Amino acid sequence: EVQLQQSGAELGKPGTSVKLSCKVSGYNIRNTYMHWVNQRPGKGLEWIGRIDPANGNTIYAEKFKSKATLTADTSSNTAYMQLSQLKSDDTAIYFCAMGMAYWGQGTLVTVSS
Amino acid sequence: DIQMTQSPSVLSASVGDRVTLNCKASQNINKYLNWYQQKLGEAPKLLIYNTNNLQTGIPSRFSGSGSGTDYTLTISSLQPEDVATYFCFQHNSWTWTFGGGTKLELK
Repeated sequence: EVQLQQSGAELGKPGTSVKLSCKVSGYNIRNTYMHWVNQRPGKGLEWIGRIDPANGNTIYAEKFKSKATLTADTSSNTAYMQLSQLKSDDTAIYFCAMGMAYWGQGTLVTVSS
Repeated sequence: DIQMTQSPSVLSASVGDRVTLNCKASQNINKYLNWYQQKLGEAPKLLIYNTNNLQTGIPSRFSGSGSGTDYTLTISSLQPEDVATYFCFQHNSWTWTFGGGTKLELK
């Protein structure tokens, strides 16, 4: 059974960074793309970008190119997303999604001083 | 970027109704269109991939159709557990995008 387990809620101060994790069990992430999606409070879904864990190649939505950095560790079957220069507007739930078919439970990131 | 527009934004229907949700792309997306269901407080769930392929475990009352720029999700007989927000998602272009969602309510 495929499962994606995301790291716990984060509280970040404006201007700082946070790094979220997404550990996959039941499937080798080398054989798929890992995606990240966010959802601001009461809003819709936004696709942030994807990484090919086999080679580290990444593609980002334009608005997240300077905000998010995607990485992956195939030895631990885990994907990561670092969010930099946090602003209040970055407060959201962040989901990882394997192949856009299997989803993690989401990580709430709250940006507040 | 390809823009995805869903309509209506809110839909009220009765149990047993046939329900149709619409999604329009700003350009041809070659049937690379998925549908997701998101219930309150949960992660999205994949229902349909590549326009008309039912994901494993999804009830057959859900179906998808469309081509070019226009796509449809149909629920043949609405059930109470179908109350949720539904999102379309295109994965044709270099970068991928969601529609704004349709909130499905019971009348």
